[in-house]
Amino acid sequence: DIVMTQSPLSLPVTPGEPASISCRSSQSLLDSNGYNYLGWYLQKPGQSPQLLIYVGSNRASGVPDRFSGSGSGRNYTLKISRVEAEDVGVYYCMQSLQIPFSFGPGTKVDI
Amino acid sequence: QVQLAESGGGVVQPGGSLRLSCAASGFTLSKHGMYWVRQAPGKGLEWVALIWYDGSNKYYADSVRGRFTVSRDNSKNTLYLQMNSLRAEDTAVYYCAREYDWKTRRLDYWGQGTLVTVSS
Repeated sequence: DIVMTQSPLSLPVTPGEPASISCRSSQSLLDSNGYNYLGWYLQKPGQSPQLLIYVGSNRASGVPDRFSGSGSGRNYTLKISRVEAEDVGVYYCMQSLQIPFSFGPGTKVDI
Repeated sequence: QVQLAESGGGVVQPGGSLRLSCAASGFTLSKHGMYWVRQAPGKGLEWVALIWYDGSNKYYADSVRGRFTVSRDNSKNTLYLQMNSLRAEDTAVYYCAREYDWKTRRLDYWGQGTLVTVSS
């Protein structure tokens, strides 16, 4: 099974400043079709998770362009160019290359 | 608009059974794979199950295989999760989520979740 790790697990942020979260997988998430099966999800307090980034670097519909995803193989990064107060919550990476799919432990972002 | 609404959660004794439902609206359920994801109180997300758009393939987490069964009725726009032999560690909020397509495997819509509590 693929194990996902994230760092840091807790990230205090300052509005207007950049922030970055790392996600690492125990195996490469790069498929033969060229896609990296890594997604980023944000769970705001009291809400269901929402999709931010898919296949490593594609921003989901409606997601502000201050969010960006990068990486390939085993290492991925989610960057927020300028944090806003509404960005607080827990960020999860998820691999969907190999069943059983799996999530990282989550990174709690707060102001 | 796309909506997913889970129901069927509640309190059940260890060893008991429960069936969750996920009512889909605003899109054609038969065109999408569907997932169940759970979240134990104060914990992270755990992938539970996946069923293909036509129900032809089903996959499970090791922690639930043999006890949980995912199914769907596309004519009723509903996804199900039959949970048997429930354990205390199955206590969680259960979310259903839509897979946009198998090519990208992104979960673009999630329900609000339903709480399952396994306790005597």
